[in-house]
Amino acid sequence: DVKVTQSSRYLVKRTGEKVFLECVQDMDHENMFWYRQDPGLGLRLIYFSYDVKMKEKGDIPEGYSVSREKKERFSLILESASTNQTSMYLCASTRGGAGKGYTFGSGTRLTVV
Amino acid sequence: AQSVAQPEDQVNVAEGNPLTVKCTYSVSGNPYLFWYVQYPNRGLQFLLKYITGDNLVKGSYGFEAEFNKSQTSFHLKKPSALVSDSALYFCAVRDQAGTALIFGKGTTLSVSS
Repeated sequence: DVKVTQSSRYLVKRTGEKVFLECVQDMDHENMFWYRQDPGLGLRLIYFSYDVKMKEKGDIPEGYSVSREKKERFSLILESASTNQTSMYLCASTRGGAGKGYTFGSGTRLTVV
Repeated sequence: AQSVAQPEDQVNVAEGNPLTVKCTYSVSGNPYLFWYVQYPNRGLQFLLKYITGDNLVKGSYGFEAEFNKSQTSFHLKKPSALVSDSALYFCAVRDQAGTALIFGKGTTLSVSS
């Protein structure tokens, strides 16, 4: 089975800190995604990447950046964490093709205090 | 622009009764439609998808979904609900250009014994 691993299950960070959320997949998928999940808002796309060193903005990229230096790893960076970035962050990956579903990681619950 | 609506925040059913979780979508051209389930403090798990062909799609755990093009709907169904089906359900859509999935806000299913 494909595995998507998010390095931290829970994180607590202080306002203004630079925060790195790591995601690794083990099935050579081309496409990787970062979503945030908030109650009543569902999943909102932050950034995605369809190849190494490529990235595309999603619906809510403000305050975030990403890095994809290797095919298996996609990092989400909060440049200066703020309390409104407290959320559940979900990473996903998929092989190319519109009919392919995603495989999700277990999520990182980030609290910014 | 693509969009997905899940009109019910919560659906309550008794164990053994049939269940329906509603989803409508808007997309240019032919849609690719997906259902995912999320158990507490976990990532999303794939249930089923519609790409083309038979309008009734069967998926994991006894779930099925019916694609209705004229009503732009893709409702999730199960003939007999189990308490263990209680979870958060997400509908998602992608168009044939196939970039990122767009998710609905989610519907909480509560099955009582």
